Amino acid sequence: DGGITQSPKYLFRKEGQNVTLSCEQNLNHDAMYWYRQDPGQGLRLIYYSQIVNDFQKGDIAEGYSVSREKKESFPLTVTSAQKNPTAFYLCASSIGKGHNQPQHFGDGTRLSIL
Amino acid sequence: GENVEQHPSTLSVQEGDSAVIKCTYSDSASNYFPWYKQELGKRPQLIIDIRSNVGEKKDQRIAVTLNKTAKHFSLHITETQPEDSAVYFCAAGSNDYKLSFGAGTTVTVRA
Repeated sequence: DGGITQSPKYLFRKEGQNVTLSCEQNLNHDAMYWYRQDPGQGLRLIYYSQIVNDFQKGDIAEGYSVSREKKESFPLTVTSAQKNPTAFYLCASSIGKGHNQPQHFGDGTRLSIL
Repeated sequence: GENVEQHPSTLSVQEGDSAVIKCTYSDSASNYFPWYKQELGKRPQLIIDIRSNVGEKKDQRIAVTLNKTAKHFSLHITETQPEDSAVYFCAAGSNDYKLSFGAGTTVTVRA
Protein backbone atom coordinates (compact mmCIF):
# COMPACT_ATOMS: atom_id res chain seq x y z
CA ASP A 1 0.00 0.00 0.00
CA GLY A 2 1.68 3.17 -1.17
CA GLY A 3 0.10 5.15 1.66
CA ILE A 4 2.34 3.73 4.40
CA THR A 5 6.06 4.38 4.33
CA GLN A 6 8.52 2.69 6.63
CA SER A 7 12.17 3.65 6.87
CA PRO A 8 14.85 2.55 6.80
CA LYS A 9 14.45 -0.75 4.99
CA TYR A 10 17.46 -2.24 6.80
CA LEU A 11 18.83 -1.17 10.18
CA PHE A 12 21.71 -2.39 12.30
CA ARG A 13 21.95 -1.91 16.04
CA LYS A 14 25.02 -1.98 18.22
CA GLU A 15 24.98 -3.29 21.77
CA GLY A 16 23.48 -0.77 24.20
CA GLN A 17 22.11 1.41 21.45
CA ASN A 18 18.56 2.66 20.97
CA VAL A 19 17.28 2.79 17.40
CA THR A 20 14.13 4.36 15.98
CA LEU A 21 12.05 2.99 13.13
CA SER A 22 9.95 5.44 11.18
CA CYS A 23 6.35 4.91 10.02
CA GLU A 24 4.39 7.55 8.12
CA GLN A 25 0.93 7.26 6.54
CA ASN A 26 -1.04 9.59 4.29
CA LEU A 27 -4.28 7.59 4.39
CA ASN A 28 -5.86 9.80 7.08
CA HIS A 29 -6.19 6.71 9.28
CA ASP A 30 -6.76 7.15 13.01
CA ALA A 31 -5.31 3.81 14.13
CA MET A 32 -1.70 2.71 13.73
CA TYR A 33 0.10 -0.45 14.80
CA TRP A 34 3.56 -1.95 15.17
CA TYR A 35 4.16 -5.67 14.74
CA ARG A 36 7.19 -7.88 15.06
CA GLN A 37 7.59 -10.85 12.73
CA ASP A 38 10.04 -13.67 13.44
CA PRO A 39 10.68 -16.60 11.06
CA GLY A 40 7.96 -19.22 11.25
CA GLN A 41 5.77 -17.07 13.44
CA GLY A 42 2.81 -14.84 12.90
CA LEU A 43 2.70 -11.13 13.53
CA ARG A 44 2.91 -10.15 17.18
CA LEU A 45 1.55 -6.78 18.29
CA ILE A 46 4.05 -4.48 20.01
CA TYR A 47 2.10 -1.23 20.41
CA TYR A 48 -0.95 0.35 18.88
CA SER A 49 -2.53 3.78 18.82
CA GLN A 50 -6.15 4.60 18.13
CA ILE A 51 -5.80 8.37 18.30
CA VAL A 52 -3.17 11.08 18.46
CA ASN A 53 -1.39 11.40 21.83
CA ASP A 54 -2.66 8.01 22.98
CA PHE A 55 -1.23 4.50 22.62
CA GLN A 56 -1.50 1.11 24.30
CA LYS A 57 0.83 -1.80 24.85
CA GLY A 58 0.35 -4.88 22.75
CA ASP A 59 1.42 -8.42 23.57
CA ILE A 60 5.20 -7.88 23.48
CA ALA A 61 5.81 -4.23 24.46
CA GLU A 62 8.79 -4.81 26.78
CA GLY A 63 11.94 -3.17 25.44
CA TYR A 64 10.05 -0.94 22.99
CA SER A 65 8.60 2.57 23.14
CA VAL A 66 6.41 4.65 20.81
CA SER A 67 4.99 8.14 20.41
CA ARG A 68 1.99 9.49 18.50
CA GLU A 69 2.40 13.24 18.32
CA LYS A 70 0.94 13.49 14.82
CA LYS A 71 -1.83 11.54 13.12
CA GLU A 72 0.49 10.66 10.25
CA SER A 73 3.43 9.38 12.26
CA PHE A 74 3.99 6.51 14.70
CA PRO A 75 7.72 5.94 15.32
CA LEU A 76 8.95 2.88 17.20
CA THR A 77 12.08 2.95 19.36
CA VAL A 78 13.83 -0.34 20.04
CA THR A 79 15.67 0.26 23.30
CA SER A 80 18.76 -1.46 24.67
CA ALA A 81 16.42 -3.29 27.07
CA GLN A 82 15.19 -5.39 24.12
CA LYS A 83 17.73 -8.21 24.25
CA ASN A 84 16.64 -9.99 21.08
CA PRO A 85 15.72 -7.24 18.62
CA THR A 86 16.62 -9.06 15.40
CA ALA A 87 13.36 -9.33 13.48
CA PHE A 88 11.24 -7.90 10.67
CA TYR A 89 9.17 -4.95 11.92
CA LEU A 90 5.89 -4.06 10.23
CA CYS A 91 3.84 -0.93 10.69
CA ALA A 92 0.16 -0.86 9.78
CA SER A 93 -2.77 1.52 9.87
CA SER A 94 -6.54 1.27 9.72
CA ILE A 95 -9.49 3.66 9.68
CA GLY A 96 -10.08 2.99 13.38
CA LYS A 97 -13.72 4.08 13.41
CA GLY A 98 -17.03 2.31 13.02
CA HIS A 99 -16.80 -1.35 12.03
CA ASN A 100 -13.43 -3.05 12.24
CA GLN A 101 -11.60 -2.34 8.99
CA PRO A 102 -8.61 -3.93 7.21
CA GLN A 103 -5.15 -3.03 8.34
CA HIS A 104 -2.81 -1.83 5.61
CA PHE A 105 0.89 -2.58 5.99
CA GLY A 106 4.12 -0.84 5.10
CA ASP A 107 7.08 -2.60 3.47
CA GLY A 108 8.77 -3.30 6.78
CA THR A 109 12.15 -2.66 8.41
CA ARG A 110 14.59 -5.50 8.94
CA LEU A 111 16.60 -4.92 12.12
CA SER A 112 19.79 -6.82 12.87
CA ILE A 113 22.38 -6.80 15.65
CA LEU A 114 25.96 -5.83 14.79
CA GLY B 1 -6.85 -12.10 25.06
CA GLU B 2 -7.63 -13.62 21.69
CA ASN B 3 -5.75 -16.77 20.62
CA VAL B 4 -5.76 -17.77 16.95
CA GLU B 5 -4.49 -21.17 15.84
CA GLN B 6 -3.80 -21.92 12.18
CA HIS B 7 -3.33 -25.26 10.40
CA PRO B 8 -1.50 -26.61 8.56
CA SER B 9 1.82 -24.80 8.89
CA THR B 10 2.88 -25.94 5.42
CA LEU B 11 0.80 -27.04 2.45
CA SER B 12 1.98 -28.35 -0.90
CA VAL B 13 -0.55 -28.74 -3.71
CA GLN B 14 -0.43 -29.63 -7.37
CA GLU B 15 -1.25 -26.79 -9.73
CA GLY B 16 -4.96 -26.79 -10.43
CA ASP B 17 -5.88 -28.47 -7.15
CA SER B 18 -7.56 -26.75 -4.19
CA ALA B 19 -5.92 -25.54 -1.00
CA VAL B 20 -7.68 -25.22 2.35
CA ILE B 21 -6.34 -23.46 5.45
CA LYS B 22 -8.18 -23.62 8.76
CA CYS B 23 -8.12 -21.29 11.77
CA THR B 24 -9.75 -21.37 15.18
CA TYR B 25 -10.21 -18.47 17.59
CA SER B 26 -10.99 -18.29 21.29
CA ASP B 27 -12.74 -14.96 21.92
CA SER B 28 -16.46 -15.04 21.23
CA ALA B 29 -16.36 -11.22 20.92
CA SER B 30 -14.30 -11.47 17.71
CA ASN B 31 -16.36 -10.26 14.77
CA TYR B 32 -13.89 -9.57 11.96
CA PHE B 33 -11.74 -12.16 10.21
CA PRO B 34 -9.28 -11.05 7.52
CA TRP B 35 -6.85 -13.17 5.54
CA TYR B 36 -3.49 -11.86 4.39
CA LYS B 37 -1.03 -13.13 1.79
CA GLN B 38 2.67 -12.41 2.24
CA GLU B 39 5.23 -13.09 -0.45
CA LEU B 40 8.86 -13.51 0.56
CA GLY B 41 10.31 -10.29 1.96
CA LYS B 42 7.20 -8.28 1.21
CA ARG B 43 4.36 -6.74 3.15
CA PRO B 44 1.24 -8.74 4.04
CA GLN B 45 -1.64 -7.89 1.73
CA LEU B 46 -5.32 -8.37 2.45
CA ILE B 47 -6.88 -10.93 0.11
CA ILE B 48 -10.33 -11.37 1.63
CA ASP B 49 -12.16 -10.68 4.88
CA ILE B 50 -15.44 -11.72 6.49
CA ARG B 51 -17.56 -10.34 9.28
CA SER B 52 -19.43 -12.34 11.89
CA ASN B 53 -22.83 -11.66 10.35
CA VAL B 54 -21.85 -13.55 7.18
CA GLY B 55 -21.20 -17.28 6.83
CA GLU B 56 -19.38 -17.32 3.50
CA LYS B 57 -17.76 -14.90 1.09
CA LYS B 58 -16.24 -15.49 -2.35
CA ASP B 59 -13.94 -13.50 -4.59
CA GLN B 60 -13.07 -15.30 -7.82
CA ARG B 61 -10.90 -18.32 -6.82
CA ILE B 62 -10.84 -17.44 -3.13
CA ALA B 63 -13.54 -18.13 -0.56
CA VAL B 64 -13.76 -17.87 3.20
CA THR B 65 -16.23 -19.64 5.47
CA LEU B 66 -17.04 -18.83 9.10
CA ASN B 67 -18.63 -21.03 11.76
CA LYS B 68 -19.29 -18.80 14.76
CA THR B 69 -20.65 -21.60 16.92
CA ALA B 70 -17.50 -23.66 16.52
CA LYS B 71 -15.26 -20.56 16.43
CA HIS B 72 -13.47 -21.54 13.26
CA PHE B 73 -12.99 -20.07 9.81
CA SER B 74 -11.33 -21.37 6.67
CA LEU B 75 -9.73 -20.11 3.47
CA HIS B 76 -10.34 -22.02 0.26
CA ILE B 77 -8.28 -21.43 -2.88
CA THR B 78 -9.52 -23.24 -5.99
CA GLU B 79 -7.64 -23.94 -9.23
CA THR B 80 -4.32 -23.04 -7.62
CA GLN B 81 -1.65 -21.36 -9.73
CA PRO B 82 2.11 -20.91 -9.13
CA GLU B 83 1.54 -17.28 -8.14
CA ASP B 84 -0.57 -18.49 -5.21
CA SER B 85 2.66 -19.72 -3.55
CA ALA B 86 3.14 -17.54 -0.45
CA VAL B 87 2.57 -17.44 3.30
CA TYR B 88 -1.06 -16.95 4.30
CA PHE B 89 -2.13 -15.54 7.68
CA CYS B 90 -5.55 -15.59 9.25
CA ALA B 91 -6.50 -13.05 11.89
CA ALA B 92 -9.35 -12.27 14.25
CA GLY B 93 -10.43 -8.91 15.62
CA SER B 94 -13.17 -7.29 17.63
CA ASN B 95 -14.36 -3.76 18.28
CA ASP B 96 -11.05 -2.63 19.79
CA TYR B 97 -9.54 -2.53 16.28
CA LYS B 98 -6.76 -4.94 17.21
CA LEU B 99 -6.02 -8.11 15.25
CA SER B 100 -4.61 -11.38 16.56
CA PHE B 101 -2.79 -13.35 13.88
CA GLY B 102 -2.30 -17.05 13.31
CA ALA B 103 1.25 -18.39 12.86
CA GLY B 104 0.89 -18.64 9.08
CA THR B 105 0.67 -21.34 6.41
CA THR B 106 3.36 -21.66 3.75
CA VAL B 107 1.63 -22.71 0.54
CA THR B 108 3.66 -24.17 -2.29
CA VAL B 109 1.98 -24.81 -5.64
CA ARG B 110 3.84 -27.45 -7.67
CA ALA B 111 3.81 -26.99 -11.43
